[in-house]
Amino acid sequence: GESVGLHLPTLSVQEGDNSIINCAYSNSASDYFIWYKQESGKGPQFIIDIRSNMDKRQGQRVTVLLNKTVKHLSLQIAATQPGDSAVYFCAENTMNRDDKIIFGKGTRLHILP
Amino acid sequence: DAGVIQSPRHEVTEMGQEVTLRCKPISGHNSLFWYRQTMMRGLELLIYFNNNVPIDDSGMPEDRFSAKMPNASFSTLKIQPSEPRDSAVYFCASSLSRTGVGNTIYFGEGSWLTVV
Repeated sequence: GESVGLHLPTLSVQEGDNSIINCAYSNSASDYFIWYKQESGKGPQFIIDIRSNMDKRQGQRVTVLLNKTVKHLSLQIAATQPGDSAVYFCAENTMNRDDKIIFGKGTRLHILP
Repeated sequence: DAGVIQSPRHEVTEMGQEVTLRCKPISGHNSLFWYRQTMMRGLELLIYFNNNVPIDDSGMPEDRFSAKMPNASFSTLKIQPSEPRDSAVYFCASSLSRTGVGNTIYFGEGSWLTVV
């Protein structure tokens, strides 16, 4: 099973390559999903969101993919840069039920020079 | 525009002391959230308010923790008495909550609490 918190999964990517960060969400009733980026010593920052009626959404250098069948979310970062080094969290919400945002464990993205 | 403002940024206190963390949400936001972040447990939702009313406090660890929101521009999270296991980063976040619209929350920079 998954270890509880002591070690975040780490993805190491060469600078300039594309990064793909994956997330499995838990609640099949969730219909709104958000990716956050947390740099060292700072609070999480909003990157991109997607509603459950969409499969894909693109932003600047980032793309989020949603597969509701298997409850899977991914964040793709194109042409990874040193400034992309951070911990990335996926979060889920049920829009018409309440305002609770539940966060996943996070993935650390490490950029290799 | 000012984001969510938290104070203090860092606090070191002795076990048994009272700790009060403060938060000013983004102006115009109607929901406010307190999260705790630790290496072991990640980001945990402690409590959230909507229109200054506590909606869900099921994440509050125990009676030593309390939160208030006396008005739309201010909230406190209090720990009394504090214990070493309360050491963590406490984040406040706010959002403009609307029915049927995904709730995007915006975080402050956090209050780093160390209880010795």
